[in-house]
Amino acid sequence: ILNVEQSPQSLHVQEGDSTNFTCSFPSSNFYALHWYRWETAKSPEALFVMTLNGDEKKKGRISATLNTKEGYSYLYIKGSQPEDSATYLCAFNGAQKLVFGQGTRLTINP
Amino acid sequence: AAGVIQSPRHLIKEKRETATLKCYPIPRHDTVYWYQQGPGQDPQFLISFYEKMQSDKGSIPDRFSAQQFSDYHSELNMSSLELGDSALYFCASSRRTGHNEKLFFGSGTQLSVL
Repeated sequence: ILNVEQSPQSLHVQEGDSTNFTCSFPSSNFYALHWYRWETAKSPEALFVMTLNGDEKKKGRISATLNTKEGYSYLYIKGSQPEDSATYLCAFNGAQKLVFGQGTRLTINP
Repeated sequence: AAGVIQSPRHLIKEKRETATLKCYPIPRHDTVYWYQQGPGQDPQFLISFYEKMQSDKGSIPDRFSAQQFSDYHSELNMSSLELGDSALYFCASSRRTGHNEKLFFGSGTQLSVL
């Protein structure tokens, strides 16, 4: 059974502060790690797809790192804004099977 | 560019009725995923299909069934609807050929069970 865990489950951050959260996944049979942002009542949007150990990707104020040997990825948000409020999902692609974590619900307090 | 199309956008049903949600993936995408998001809840994975075969199963109730057809569109069939089934149902598609293929999501079907 593939287990993908995200922590924390929910997070409240003050506007302007930076934050990060974690996705843990199996360290074997790794193919790719995906990050998605899911705003309430909108379609989830792909942020990053990472495939190499040590990968770092950046999109505006959001960045992600990947450690496939120890099985974790961090998502960082710098200078949080209200529009960053969403559920952030990671998904582990292992042996052609995509397994999603339960998500981290991020709320930015003005 | 063509996106993932879901129909209907909104659906209102009564308890114990049945509902069918449809998902048309992006052309040449061979994998479809279904998600459910209840009011104020985290998205829950229901089921996925690859090349018309079920590839993974999540928290899909026994009252629900789904399939992927020869043209790769997928249908989620929901029977004996309950009030708790009211939610936004998302479908996503991808190409399985590449390991780094991201998912593309549809706009969702809002199901209300009265």
